Amino acid sequence: EAQVTQNPRYLITVTGKKLTVTCSQNMNHEYMSWYRQDPGLGLRQIYYSMNVEVTDKGDVPEGYKVSRKEKRNFPLILESPSPNQTSLYFCASSLAGVLGSYEQYFGPGTRLTVT
Amino acid sequence: GEDVEQSLFLSVREGDSSVINCTYTDSSSTYLYWYKQEPGAGLQLLTYIFSNMDMKQDQRLTVLLNKKDKHLSLRIADTQTGDSAIYFCAELGGKSNDMRFGAGTRLTVKP
Repeated sequence: EAQVTQNPRYLITVTGKKLTVTCSQNMNHEYMSWYRQDPGLGLRQIYYSMNVEVTDKGDVPEGYKVSRKEKRNFPLILESPSPNQTSLYFCASSLAGVLGSYEQYFGPGTRLTVT
Repeated sequence: GEDVEQSLFLSVREGDSSVINCTYTDSSSTYLYWYKQEPGAGLQLLTYIFSNMDMKQDQRLTVLLNKKDKHLSLRIADTQTGDSAIYFCAELGGKSNDMRFGAGTRLTVKP
């Protein structure tokens, strides 16, 4: 089954404790992206990646890191989480370039609470 | 930065048509999208339109694009209670391939 998986689905942590949210897709998509969803603000793009070893900042990259060592995985790293990073996070992937129209497939979401 | 704007709420009666509107500001956007989010779920792509088109129809869904006014709309014909959800419009940046979403329109369908 074609899908985007994220882990964990729920996470409660404390300020300053490094964490990683994993994202994996099995569709051989080039484009992968992380978003955060906050009430009244919709989805805001954190980082995106056009392909392996290529990452770019979205609208709200501060406090986050990503890596794209393999095509299928795109982990989101919070080196020192703060309460303002409490949010619902979505990973997404799509075909890119001339073969794709960037229609994104979304993961189920990770609800992160930082106390 | 560039913004994508939508009204936050829309309420219709079952069987009526719903029209959800969106404005965007990046004139170089290549693709525009409509996504649906049901409670507790991720986003699901409903439809998209390439920027050189002005209309796309897919069963009950009709997308209209007015590129001059940077206005995108989604019309749902014969709206059903199962259509109740949050609808997001999104644009793919023409220069940078970043993706920008509106805040979402919560559609409520009353029986």
